[in-house]
Amino acid sequence: EVQLVESGGGLIQPGGSLRLSCAASGFTVSSNYMSWVRQAPGKGLEWVSVIYSGGSTYYADSVKGRFTISRDNSKNTLYLQMNSLRAEDTAVYYCARESTTGVIDYWGQGTLVTVSS
Amino acid sequence: EIVMTQSPATLSVSPGERATLSCRASQSVSSNLAWYQQKPGQAPRLLIYGASTRATGIPARFSGSGSGTEFTLTISSLQSEDFAVYYCQQYNNWLGTFGQGTKVEIK
Repeated sequence: EVQLVESGGGLIQPGGSLRLSCAASGFTVSSNYMSWVRQAPGKGLEWVSVIYSGGSTYYADSVKGRFTISRDNSKNTLYLQMNSLRAEDTAVYYCARESTTGVIDYWGQGTLVTVSS
Repeated sequence: EIVMTQSPATLSVSPGERATLSCRASQSVSSNLAWYQQKPGQAPRLLIYGASTRATGIPARFSGSGSGTEFTLTISSLQSEDFAVYYCQQYNNWLGTFGQGTKVEIK
């Protein structure tokens, strides 16, 4: 059974850093496209970043230069390092698995990041 | 960036009635279009991919159509568990943009 479990969210001050983790089971992270998608309170879904099985990474303009997506193959875990956090980064962050066509077929339960002083 | 526009923002439907949701892309995405359902406090769930293929376990009352820039999600006979927010997403390029969502509420 495919499972994605996020952790690492919390309350952080503007300008601070946070690292989100997503532990995967039931499949191999390094063999799949893996994404982070976020949802601000009461708002819609916003794609944040993707790492392809070959290692290529892409970012939404809103986070480029501040966020870094990575994976640890030995731990079968996906990460999102978030630096220079802003109030507008406040959201539930979902870890997601993409098929090779780009469809998100599995989602984690999400972890809440609140950026506030 | 491809912009996805959904309409209407809110759809009021009685149980048992048909619901038709629309999604328009700012440029062609071929058939690289997915629909997701999200209920309060839950993660989204994949309903439709490839514009018209139901995901595993999705009931036949959900159907998708369209290609290029115009897409439709139809729920043939709304059940109580179908009242939720529905998002379309294009995955024609690496920046997989979502629509703003359509809330299907009980009339």
